[in-house]
Amino acid sequence: EIVLTQSPATLSLSPGERATLSCRASQSVSSQLAWYQQKPGQAPRLLIYDASNKATGIPARFSGSGSGTDFTLTISSLEAEDFAVYYCQQRSNWPLTFGQGTRVEI
Amino acid sequence: EVQLLESGGGLVQPGGSLRLSCATSGFTFSSYAMTWVRQAPGKGLEWVSGIWSNSGRTFYADSVTGRFTISRDNSKNTLYLQMNNLGAEDTALYFCAKVVLGIWYIDDWGQGTLVTVSS
Repeated sequence: EIVLTQSPATLSLSPGERATLSCRASQSVSSQLAWYQQKPGQAPRLLIYDASNKATGIPARFSGSGSGTDFTLTISSLEAEDFAVYYCQQRSNWPLTFGQGTRVEI
Repeated sequence: EVQLLESGGGLVQPGGSLRLSCATSGFTFSSYAMTWVRQAPGKGLEWVSGIWSNSGRTFYADSVTGRFTISRDNSKNTLYLQMNNLGAEDTALYFCAKVVLGIWYIDDWGQGTLVTVSS
């Protein structure tokens, strides 16, 4: 099973600041990694797929990069609605796995 | 609009069974792979199981292999998860989810059904 390790566990930032979230895989997943956002009481929402492709309707301030074992989700300028928990997920190998999440808080 | 509506959750004793259902609408169900993801209270996401569009192949997390069975009825646009020999570790909100066409990412989610395993 591929283990995804996200860091940091919590990111404390202010609106307007840049957020940089990391996801590291225990073995190469090529570019087969996605990022999701989850707000309290809601289902997750797909942000980025295949490492760097934005899902439909995702604002330009969100971007993804990386390949192999190291990936980054960047939010260029945080808005109030971006404070949430973010998860990475790989589809390279079965079983599919998620990272443990990074909480972005004010 | 894609709609996924889970049902069948509830309180069950350790060792018991439950069958979750997910009624879908707003898309061509028979064309899409589907999956179940769970989230224990206050915890992160855990992928549980997946099934290809034609039910030809199914996949499971190690933690549920041998106890859970995923299935689908394309004539009823419904996804199922049969859960047997439940333990406290299975207590979670179970999400039904639609897989992006051709690739195993999730682009639509239900609101979840809560399964509580307790005596």
